[in-house]
Amino acid sequence: DSGVTQTPKHLITATGQRVTLRCSPRSGDLSVYWYQQSLDQGLQFLIQYYNGEERAKGNILERFSAQQFPDLHSELNLSSLELGDSALYFCASSGLASHEQYFGPGTRLTVT
Amino acid sequence: GESVGLHLPTLSVQEGDNSIINCAYSNSASDYFIWYKQESGKGPQFIIDIRSNMDKRQGQRVTVLLNKTVKHLSLQIAATQPGDSAVYFCAALNYGGSQGNLIFGKGTKLSVKP
Repeated sequence: DSGVTQTPKHLITATGQRVTLRCSPRSGDLSVYWYQQSLDQGLQFLIQYYNGEERAKGNILERFSAQQFPDLHSELNLSSLELGDSALYFCASSGLASHEQYFGPGTRLTVT
Repeated sequence: GESVGLHLPTLSVQEGDNSIINCAYSNSASDYFIWYKQESGKGPQFIIDIRSNMDKRQGQRVTVLLNKTVKHLSLQIAATQPGDSAVYFCAALNYGGSQGNLIFGKGTKLSVKP
């Protein structure tokens, strides 16, 4: 158990809908990262937050957004969903050492 | 842009043998290289990392070797066990360029035969 929690575990929704994925980092970790894992693209970095502020952006679509709250949990919002958004979404957290990221169990999103 | 790739998508070994999983990277400015293990239905699990100024690092039954000349790293697992069956990813991190996000390779699926 990494100490990172994610909800929900599974999510099935229709195209055009909007969903919110939630992540709670390990106790004491200030950084939260979101990654998307699909069969053809592997693990892709989406966005990083540090202590409530956006720190880095990767290949995140404009339809996707995220935020980190004062209690350090984070939410990833995916809107206008398309079939191609079906994937596993992982949250990771770290302390100051970004090379030591601990991953949550993921949310499997299926868009039908 | 930076890329990290694995040499073989699958690897099958006999229980008790040693396993070697290889990875190549493109960005010589990477500061750290990390190996993750992902079991079916779970998130990636940190195994071991190595800083770019090191050549070798050992953990419990695992060793990572870094060859900066040819931009190659490998993960060696000693006395491979059935519980080692998983997908293994190498990842690179450049503190200067990416503010801490990991660039992952595609993964090698390790199967351990009893």
